[in-house]
Amino acid sequence: DVKVTQSSRYLVKRTGEKVFLECVQDMDHENMFWYRQDPGLGLRLIYFSYDVKMKEKGDIPEGYSVSREKKERFSLILESASTNQTSMYLCASRYQGQGADQPQHFGDGTRLSIL
Amino acid sequence: GEDVEQSLFLSVREGDSSVINCTYTDSSSTYLYWYKQEPGAGLQLLTYIFSNMDMKQDQRLTVLLNKKDKHLSLRIADTQTGDSAIYFCAERVGNQFYFGTGTSLTVIP
Repeated sequence: DVKVTQSSRYLVKRTGEKVFLECVQDMDHENMFWYRQDPGLGLRLIYFSYDVKMKEKGDIPEGYSVSREKKERFSLILESASTNQTSMYLCASRYQGQGADQPQHFGDGTRLSIL
Repeated sequence: GEDVEQSLFLSVREGDSSVINCTYTDSSSTYLYWYKQEPGAGLQLLTYIFSNMDMKQDQRLTVLLNKKDKHLSLRIADTQTGDSAIYFCAERVGNQFYFGTGTSLTVIP
């Protein structure tokens, strides 16, 4: 089974802090994704990475950055946390194969509160 | 991103069938997915359908795809209280995935 592990289930930080959210997958997947989930808005893509050291902006990248130094780890960074970044953050990974479909596999999420 | 729309809420009685609907805008989607999210957890893949199929059945789950109308539905037969969750549809366009807002299903005992 694919395992996507997010380092924290719950996190509370203060406005202006630099925040790191970590995600690790154990299936050698090329693609990794960070989403935020807010009520009534569904999942919105923040950043994704096709492979190591590659990154692409999603729909809402402002205020965030990412790092993919190793294939198994994809980090989301809030450079200076603000209260409007209070949300549930979901990480996903997938194998970028040819032919048969490869769905995304999700971690359990990190519920981040910015005070 | 693409528009993927779902109703926000659905309530059904235990034992009835549930039908969760989804509409999408991009006709070039290759696969469409249904995910389930239980409280406090991430998204769990339930099933998916290739865009050239009309229907896919997997135990209590039936997925119907009307590509002409860009409409996807998930039918859950004999709905149980354990089916209470948020259900997301998603479409894949190339290597991008677009998710709906999620439908919160409540099963009334």
